[in-house]
Amino acid sequence: DQQVKQNSPSLSVQEGRISILNCDYTNSMFDYFLWYKKYPAEGPTFLISISSIKDKNEDGRFTVFLNKSAKHLSLHIVPSQPGDSAVYFCAASETGTASKLTFGTGTRLQVTL
Amino acid sequence: NAGVTQTPKFQVLKTGQSMTLQCAQDMNHEYMSWYRQDPGMGLRLIHYSVGAGITDQGEVPNGYNVSRSTTEDFPLRLLSAAPSQTSVYFCASSLYLAGNYGYTFGSGTRLTVV
Repeated sequence: DQQVKQNSPSLSVQEGRISILNCDYTNSMFDYFLWYKKYPAEGPTFLISISSIKDKNEDGRFTVFLNKSAKHLSLHIVPSQPGDSAVYFCAASETGTASKLTFGTGTRLQVTL
Repeated sequence: NAGVTQTPKFQVLKTGQSMTLQCAQDMNHEYMSWYRQDPGMGLRLIHYSVGAGITDQGEVPNGYNVSRSTTEDFPLRLLSAAPSQTSVYFCASSLYLAGNYGYTFGSGTRLTVV
């Protein structure tokens, strides 16, 4: 029972264009969402997060959008750069359970020249 | 500032052997967790701790034990290794600040059970 789903295993985008990574969740108790970036042989690195009281959060080139009614969130990267090539994981948690992240299966982003 | 340190980075075990994966953090984080990553399955929570002396099970706890005697350390013990425990293990720590908490992961331990 996958509570957090990333249905696109991979995505290829040209440098300078927008990358959009999608994530769906089924557990209505989730109220905090995070995106992690992972390079091979390294641990995941926190990228950006959003609380369920917001529908958008920006940090530089990265913006996360949350649609609670659709139980859907997306990560936008603009403009995409070759260094953004990595696996991106969506994760979710419930209030008061900071250690209990539920992860999606990841999307491998390749930014081409 | 070392962050989250995991040792060893690589380990090969024979079926039935036991071992401890070490995890230490120097950020005074209350929350610590262990995850495993398997191909096509993302990261799954094994055990977690909300403070020294307090631990609880995650999604896939069978075959693993943890303890949290200090804030800094959160070792993961494999009691009797099985091939199904071949995986990459990540330790993470977090500081809960209302509405804005960050998670830091270690670089992982790649375990192979033969």
